[in-house]
Amino acid sequence: DIQMTQSPSSLSASVGDTVTITCRASQGISNSLVWFQQKPGKAPKSLIYAASSLQSGAPAHFSGSGSGTDFTLTISSLQPEDSATYYCQQYNSHPLTFGGGTKVEIK
Amino acid sequence: QLQLQQSGPGLLKPSQTLSLTCAISGDSVSSDNSAWNWIRQSPSRGLEWLGRTFYRSKWYYTYAVSVQSRITIIPDTSKNQVSLQLSSVTPEDSAVYFCAREVTLLRGVINPIDYWGQGAQVTVSS
Repeated sequence: DIQMTQSPSSLSASVGDTVTITCRASQGISNSLVWFQQKPGKAPKSLIYAASSLQSGAPAHFSGSGSGTDFTLTISSLQPEDSATYYCQQYNSHPLTFGGGTKVEIK
Repeated sequence: QLQLQQSGPGLLKPSQTLSLTCAISGDSVSSDNSAWNWIRQSPSRGLEWLGRTFYRSKWYYTYAVSVQSRITIIPDTSKNQVSLQLSSVTPEDSAVYFCAREVTLLRGVINPIDYWGQGAQVTVSS
């Protein structure tokens, strides 16, 4: 199975800041990576697919980059509603596997 | 607007069979542009993919090795839903269970999940 390692596990930032979350795959996955956002008690919401493509309906201040084993989610101009946990997930092969999550708190 | 509504018993006893349904509206369970995944989430195990099904002239199924001997995913075209059955449950199967759509962008490969249901909490306790 492909292991997905996210960092940091949590962060705290102010409105308007730019934050970066990283995700590392234990083996190369090309660009087969999604990022999604989860708020407590809510359905996860897809933000980015194919490592860098913005999902329809996702806010434009989210962006993704990377290929192979190293990936980044960038949240520009952090908004209060961005308070959530963010996960990466690879879909290069089954079983689909997930990072451990990054909890983003707004100061 | 796609909606995925999960339902099923929230409390089970060990050794029972978990049975959850995901009612689909805004898409078809037999669409050749979609696949239907089941994923669970628990504090101890994190997010864990369980399996998926899709229809391309016939039904295809893929299951996680960890649950392969206990899992069945059942599509129902008459009700436009997909069900999950997990037999011989233990407290370790306690989790929130999600159904999720995988959208077909490219044929012949695994595609990204673009939409998740709200989830259904399942607790296994004697």
